[in-house]
Amino acid sequence: GENVEQHPSTLSVQEGDSAVIKCTYSDSASNYFPWYKQELGKRPQLIIDIRSNVGEKKDQRIAVTLNKTAKHFSLHITETQPEDSAVYFCAASMGSSYKLIFGSGTRLLVRP
Amino acid sequence: DAGVTQSPTHLIKTRGQQVTLRCSPKSGHDTVSWYQQALGQGPQFIFQYYEEEERQRGNFPDRFSGHQFPNYSSELNVNALLLGDSALYLCASSPGIPTGELFFGEGSRLTVL
Repeated sequence: GENVEQHPSTLSVQEGDSAVIKCTYSDSASNYFPWYKQELGKRPQLIIDIRSNVGEKKDQRIAVTLNKTAKHFSLHITETQPEDSAVYFCAASMGSSYKLIFGSGTRLLVRP
Repeated sequence: DAGVTQSPTHLIKTRGQQVTLRCSPKSGHDTVSWYQQALGQGPQFIFQYYEEEERQRGNFPDRFSGHQFPNYSSELNVNALLLGDSALYLCASSPGIPTGELFFGEGSRLTVL
């Protein structure tokens, strides 16, 4: 069935280092891949997204890459800051489906 | 712009009871989706409403039902509550374009005792 796997489940980095979170999806018809950041007790907020006709997208310190052949997509955060600490979720939209399938989340801790 | 608003923010119910959660979408949005987020998990799609009809449904039992009103607001109803229904229920709105960005509310945290 439809599935999105996300790794790692927890990630601890030193402030200023880079962080990479990886996701794989099962349905090759997927064409939309957003990333959400959820701080404790808060709503998930979209931080970046990519569509299947693009291989990479960047927004300041955040970038997302997509490998359609391998059905992988990754979130890259450079120059991490303590305020980047949160849970990050990847998601995929399967073809013409209206629903997002979310990964299980990565808890990122940026140590000062 | 108030964004997506949900009520109540927290509630406690006992097994077998029924609950109704409410959501007002972001201004200009006509589509509402509901997700269940268990502790430590990613959100799981329950269903989506558009033009007052259920457009798509996830893998949830019939105990979960919903409604959308002419002003695009929505309700999620859960009957015969089970302990496993304890979760954060998130409402998300979008402008109706498939696979477009979802704007989430802060959620309603349901505890079933």
